Amino acid sequence: GQQVQQSPTSLVLQEGENAELQCNFSTSLNSMQWFYQRPGGSLISVFYNPSGTKQSGRLTSTTVIKERRSSLHISSSQITDSGTYLCAMERGQGGRALIFGTGTTVSVSP
Amino acid sequence: EAAVTQSPRNKVAVTGGKVTLSCNQTNNHNNMYWYRQDTGHGLRLIHYSYGAGSTEKGDIPDGYKASRPSQENFSLILELATPSQTSVYFCASGDGTGDSDYTFGSGTRLLVI
Repeated sequence: GQQVQQSPTSLVLQEGENAELQCNFSTSLNSMQWFYQRPGGSLISVFYNPSGTKQSGRLTSTTVIKERRSSLHISSSQITDSGTYLCAMERGQGGRALIFGTGTTVSVSP
Repeated sequence: EAAVTQSPRNKVAVTGGKVTLSCNQTNNHNNMYWYRQDTGHGLRLIHYSYGAGSTEKGDIPDGYKASRPSQENFSLILELATPSQTSVYFCASGDGTGDSDYTFGSGTRLLVI
C-alpha cells in the first residue's frame, strides 16, 4: 500500500488565507522533505526536515517522528503559492532515494 | 549555476521502439535518480546510481535499463517501449548528505503510441 499519504488532495484558497498540508507515513520515518512543483514544471526542494520545526518566510514545516507525520503550513497565501506540494521520505536503503506522496494541489485566487 | 539538464524535453515514440532519455548534472553529486510521475501515483523511483559505473534497481525497474558512464551523465533506456511507459520522467541528483541537496531536472514528457 501507499507508504506516504498526503491530504488534502487539493485546496482552493483566497489570497491571504492560511493553509495546512498534511503528510502521514505508514513506516518508520527515516527523513523527509517537502517539494514544490509548478504545473508542468520541475520540483524544487522547499524543506529538508527530518524532525522538529523549520520556517522559511511564510512557510513552516513541522515533523513529528513518533507520530509519523509532517505538516506544511502556508501563512497569508499569495497567488504565487499556487502549484503542487509533495512530501517525500527516504527509502530505508538506496542512496537516499525518495518515496513520494501523491501531492496536494493548491490554487490561490485573488 | 549547478543544474540538472534533461533531454529531450518531449518525445513521441512508437511501440516496440528504443528510447533513450539523457540526464546531465553539473552539481558534482555522487547520486543520481530516475523517477516517473503519473497522475494518482506521485513520483516513483525507476533506477538510481551511486556513481560512475553503478546502477541500482528502484521500485519499478521492469522495462527500463539505466547507464551511468560518468559522474555527470545518467541515461534511462527503454529497449522496447510500450504505451504504459507514457509518462513524465524526472532525473535528479544528490550528494547523500541531506539538507535539501536534491536537484531535479525539468522533466521529459514521453508519449508512446
